[in-house]
Amino acid sequence: NAGVTQTPKFQVLKTGQSMTLQCAQDMNHEYMSWYRQDPGMGLRLIHYSVGAGITDQGEVPNGYNVSRSTTEDFPLRLLSAAPSQTSVYFCASSSYSLVGEKLFFGSGTQLSVL
Amino acid sequence: QQQVKQSPQSLIVQKGGISIINCAYENTAFDYFPWYQQFPGKGPALLIAIRPDVSEKKEGRFTISFNKSAKQFSLHIMDSQPGDSATYFCAASIWWTGNQFYFGTGTSLTVIP
Repeated sequence: NAGVTQTPKFQVLKTGQSMTLQCAQDMNHEYMSWYRQDPGMGLRLIHYSVGAGITDQGEVPNGYNVSRSTTEDFPLRLLSAAPSQTSVYFCASSSYSLVGEKLFFGSGTQLSVL
Repeated sequence: QQQVKQSPQSLIVQKGGISIINCAYENTAFDYFPWYQQFPGKGPALLIAIRPDVSEKKEGRFTISFNKSAKQFSLHIMDSQPGDSATYFCAASIWWTGNQFYFGTGTSLTVIP
């Protein structure tokens, strides 16, 4: 059982370049989200999706785009990378539950923008 | 604006001691308060969670204490072990909004043998 798979694990970009961070889950979870982790800032929600075809902005959405064409995949796009986007990015998924919501995180993508 | 404030930023505890991490929130609509544990190079993993209808939840050596009136909650790690050395994040969410989680800034715990 793979869980949440993120690719790539590491990426170096030049300012202005674009790229897509991939995220896939095999647990049939309705909810998927992207967080960025920065020192002293914790994890901050970038975008999230409550199901295929539905996305919404989180705390820090500027500079990022998302789409959710299938239940399994939730890619994060950087259209024009900036040094401020240097961070570790985590994708997470969860399923609605009356008991409590458990986020399953991927192993992260470390992105450096020069 | 940080929705969930966490302290301390770092913590060093002797093996066998008690580790205590505190969090505070302002939004009274939050109805779910999990704690996540993260080891270097890994994604966070759910450790324990509580809802505001109870004041305490215990799972093994880990206990959440919740004070609804003070809008504070804390994680207590009893008999701390070197294997507990990790970064701990508190979080809060409002269930009906679609599982949007707000995380604290994290506490780096080091347990000295």
